[in-house]
Amino acid sequence: GQSLEQPSEVTAVEGAIVQINCTYQTSGFYGLSWYQQHDGGAPTFLSYNALDGLEETGRFSSFLSRSDSYGYLLLQELQMKDSASYFCAVSSGNTPLVFGKGTRLSVIA
Amino acid sequence: NAGVMQNPRHLVRRRGQEARLRCSPMKGHSHVYWYRQLPEEGLKFMVYLQKENIIDESGMPKERFSAEFPKEGPSILRIQQVVRGDSAAYFCATLPGTSGHNTGELFFGEGSRLTVL
Repeated sequence: GQSLEQPSEVTAVEGAIVQINCTYQTSGFYGLSWYQQHDGGAPTFLSYNALDGLEETGRFSSFLSRSDSYGYLLLQELQMKDSASYFCAVSSGNTPLVFGKGTRLSVIA
Repeated sequence: NAGVMQNPRHLVRRRGQEARLRCSPMKGHSHVYWYRQLPEEGLKFMVYLQKENIIDESGMPKERFSAEFPKEGPSILRIQQVVRGDSAAYFCATLPGTSGHNTGELFFGEGSRLTVL
């Protein structure tokens, strides 16, 4: 089976940096994805890591350590519009993506 | 190039009625996934279809739920004799036919929110 753990809630100040962690257990692993979902909206893809290390895309970065079964999403220069839920998801090849329960990020002034 | 289209966006049913949720993939996409999301919960996989074939239905409840993706037309998730516990957001996600599943990127629709009274 597959399972993912991520914090349920995180609060951070506008302009700050926040890190959302994700640990996973899976039989077979291809990569770790991150998705953003605003209330009432569709999940939207942010990043995918198949190899160890840091991937940077603008203000967002994602990290993976395959040996530790661990990854994180790093959001810099937080903006109010970043308030949303963030989901990590495990890809195991031709099986459907398995999602964590999500981390609700609240950005405060 | 329209994205993944789902309808209806909101659906209200009374217990015992049927719900039909439709998903039209992006152009060129022939892989369809249905996920269910309960309030404050993650996305739970239900079923994976390609044109005219169910590939993986391991997440589908054994009764009352069915899905299809005909040669022509949208994919349909059908819930018969709905109960209050079926109230949730149902998301469709699609992939291109020629793309592998190894990029971790699914293209989601806006979802259909089912409320059972």
